[in-house]
Amino acid sequence: ETGVTQSPTHLIKTRGQQVTLRCSSQSGHNTVSWYQQALGQGPQFIFQYYREEENGRGNFPPRFSGLQFPNYSSELNVNALELDDSALYLCASRFSAGATEAFFGQGTRLTVV
Amino acid sequence: SQQGEEDPQALSIQEGENATMNCSYKTSINNLQWYRQNSGRGLVHLILIRSNEREKHSGRLRVTLDTSKKSSSLLITASRAADTASYFCGEGGSYIPTFGRGTSLIVHP
Repeated sequence: ETGVTQSPTHLIKTRGQQVTLRCSSQSGHNTVSWYQQALGQGPQFIFQYYREEENGRGNFPPRFSGLQFPNYSSELNVNALELDDSALYLCASRFSAGATEAFFGQGTRLTVV
Repeated sequence: SQQGEEDPQALSIQEGENATMNCSYKTSINNLQWYRQNSGRGLVHLILIRSNEREKHSGRLRVTLDTSKKSSSLLITASRAADTASYFCGEGGSYIPTFGRGTSLIVHP
């Protein structure tokens, strides 16, 4: 167990809807990253939050947004869902932005129909 | 941040055999990390090798790094059925691991 939990584990949404995925990091981990993993692909970096501020972003449109809270929880929000957004979404927390080891949650499987 | 690219894409072996998978990257790194992912689950950190290291061991895992060739290899010795998973390398220079497609390893009992 990594101490990082994600909810829900599975989710089905309709194209055009909005979704919020949640992640609870290990206590003391002030850095959280979110990844999208399509079937058969590696995890693709979406963005990273450090002390509640976004400090890095991958090649994802603005309809992907996030929040990080002081209680070590965070959210990934996706607006105007598209079929291609169907994927496993992973969050990973680290003790600090400079820490090398990331602890991943088990992921949320999102299906957009 | 940059992606590592793993090779081969898939590897199928018998229990007890060794499994070797490779990773190539494009620019300078501070460290390189290997992760394992069981089917549809989160990634688990296996081992980190720093740019000034050439080889590192952890249990049945052996990682090498050749910075001149911008490549790394992961060797799993005496493989077990439980080693069946996808393996990813991630560049940690920017402290934001980014990953390639991974190597899918199947170990047959």
